[in-house]
Amino acid sequence: DQQVKQNSPSLSVQEGRISILNCDYTNSMFDYFLWYKKYPAEGPTFLISISSIKDKNEDGRFTVFLNKSAKHLSLHIVPSQPGDSAVYFCAAYVTGANSKLTFGKGITLSVRP
Amino acid sequence: DTGVSQNPRHKITKRGQNVTFRCDPISEHNRLYWYRQTLGQGPEFLTYFQNEAQLEKSRLLSDRFSAERPKGSFSTLEIQRTEQGDSAMYLCASSLAYLAGVGTDTQYFGPGTRLTVL
Repeated sequence: DQQVKQNSPSLSVQEGRISILNCDYTNSMFDYFLWYKKYPAEGPTFLISISSIKDKNEDGRFTVFLNKSAKHLSLHIVPSQPGDSAVYFCAAYVTGANSKLTFGKGITLSVRP
Repeated sequence: DTGVSQNPRHKITKRGQNVTFRCDPISEHNRLYWYRQTLGQGPEFLTYFQNEAQLEKSRLLSDRFSAERPKGSFSTLEIQRTEQGDSAMYLCASSLAYLAGVGTDTQYFGPGTRLTVL
């Protein structure tokens, strides 16, 4: 039972354009969401997070939007750069408990020069 | 802040052998997590420690797996009698958990240990 879903396995965008990576979840108990970026042969690197009490969080070129009623979140990268090419994982957890992360399968982003 | 480190980075072993991995978390972090990632999947939770106490283990963690965190610092993950299905990337993460769920608990990952069982 996949509680966090990233239904698009890959995305290709032109350098300078916007990248939009989507994520859906089914467990309504999740109240904290994170995005991680992963290069081959490395561990995931924390990118940005959002609490369920917010609908938007911004950090430089990265913005995460949360739509609780739709159980949907998205990561926007503007402008996209070739160095952003990596696998992006959406993750979620329930605060106040053990905070174990539930991950999606990841999206491979390719930014074309 | 040197980040989370894991050793070894790669391990190749024969089926039936025992292997042990080590994780050194960020120094002031009180929580330590182990995850496993297989090809095409996201990381899956295995177990976690609050200081030296192991507080939860996933059903994925069979009896052949054991984890320790003596003195609440580094942690080891041992797999006994390895099987080919144990081949995966084993990831360690650490976080600074606030009391009673107040605040955030962002996990920072190490580079992982790639295990190949022949």
